[in-house]
Amino acid sequence: EPEVTQTPSHQVTQMGQEVILRCVPISNHLYFYWYRQILGQKVEFLVSFYNNEISEKSEIFDDQFSVERPDGSNFTLKIRSTKLEDSAMYFCASINRGGTDTQYFGPGTRLTVL
Amino acid sequence: GDSVTQMEGPVTLSEEAFLTINCTYTATGYPSLFWYVQYPGEGLQLLLKATKADDKGSNKGFEATYRKETTSFHLEKGSVQVSDSAVYFCALSDYGGSQGNLIFGKGTKLSVKP
Repeated sequence: EPEVTQTPSHQVTQMGQEVILRCVPISNHLYFYWYRQILGQKVEFLVSFYNNEISEKSEIFDDQFSVERPDGSNFTLKIRSTKLEDSAMYFCASINRGGTDTQYFGPGTRLTVL
Repeated sequence: GDSVTQMEGPVTLSEEAFLTINCTYTATGYPSLFWYVQYPGEGLQLLLKATKADDKGSNKGFEATYRKETTSFHLEKGSVQVSDSAVYFCALSDYGGSQGNLIFGKGTKLSVKP
């Protein structure tokens, strides 16, 4: 069964450093999403992406964040200058607009900012 | 804005016990409602969904009914198994579940003891 994959599973970084979280959505999917979950809190929507551009973003997704689909298979989330409060689990999801409304999620990347 | 509230965990049950996890929502429109499950070390998986009032979603012995009058979508299972131990997330989508971002509850951790 096709699945969404994410790398790395755990990323540790120093405050102020740039990080790139990678996701490979399911191959025929068209919409892509990033969510995050701070420990003990809700899963929160960050951004959705379609047709090579952002279609919606939350207030969390400020200028420090960017997304890209560089090569037709990967979908990346970049945090330019990490802050302590960026420590969270980051989930990627994708959806096929062709006939299903189920968002398929990856296993997540745990980001720890020191 | 739209929101989801679900009962605090953790919930600990003995095998074959009856499970209820409460979920209520606030939405301005007519959202689709979802239950996602996260097994240890894995991503979020769709467990069941309902797209309109009075719909009942069901899967793997779990059920939830979309109650518009009480704005609820409580998850139930008649007889839980050890393998049901996981974190359960209630969620809504404000675009009919087809492309919109998901709004999640905090999650409820279920532990089932043999």
